[in-house]
Amino acid sequence: AQKVTQAQTEISVVEKEDVTLDCVYETRDTTYYLFWYKQPPSGELVFLIRRNSFDEQNEISGRYSWNFQKSTSSFNFTITASQVVDSAVYFCATGGSEKLVFGKGTKLTVNP
Amino acid sequence: KAGVTQTPRYLIKTRGQQVTLSCSPISGHRSVSWYQQTPGQGLQFLFEYFSETQRNKGNFPGRFSGRQFSNSRSEMNVSTLELGDSALYLCASSLAVGSYEQYFGPGTRLTVT
Repeated sequence: AQKVTQAQTEISVVEKEDVTLDCVYETRDTTYYLFWYKQPPSGELVFLIRRNSFDEQNEISGRYSWNFQKSTSSFNFTITASQVVDSAVYFCATGGSEKLVFGKGTKLTVNP
Repeated sequence: KAGVTQTPRYLIKTRGQQVTLSCSPISGHRSVSWYQQTPGQGLQFLFEYFSETQRNKGNFPGRFSGRQFSNSRSEMNVSTLELGDSALYLCASSLAVGSYEQYFGPGTRLTVT
């Protein structure tokens, strides 16, 4: 069975700090995908990234970066120079050929 | 391109009633998934439809059902509502079944009293 653990329930930082959100996944699939979604206070989940299990290259997109390490089953997400608008709940998810399984989410609060 | 739309956005029902929620996917997307989000259980997968057929189903009782129409629009129905059904119900659309990027709608906030 698939499982995603986001050990950090809540994180609070001051604007311009860097912050890393941890994600550990479990899956028996040999081919699987990993995702990050953002849920701002408005409630709508916003897709951030999708990676497949064969691609362990780290990815950077603006202030966002993702570190995928298959050896530790982790897919961590870093926000550089955080901003107040980054305040949201962030969800990590994994899926194989079927449904997506989400972690419980990490609530990030960025204070001015 | 218009995003995923869900109607209604808010709903208040009493125990024992039934409710139908609607979801219109992004144009060209043929897969629609439904999720229930609660503070205690988080995001839980309900079911996924593709080409009017249910392809995957989560661990929810039979009171939760859904369907998909030929235009890919989807509805979910909850019968004999219970207090525990109060939640945010999210619909997501994607190009195909499986782990493709899913794009979520704003959700329907259901309150059961």
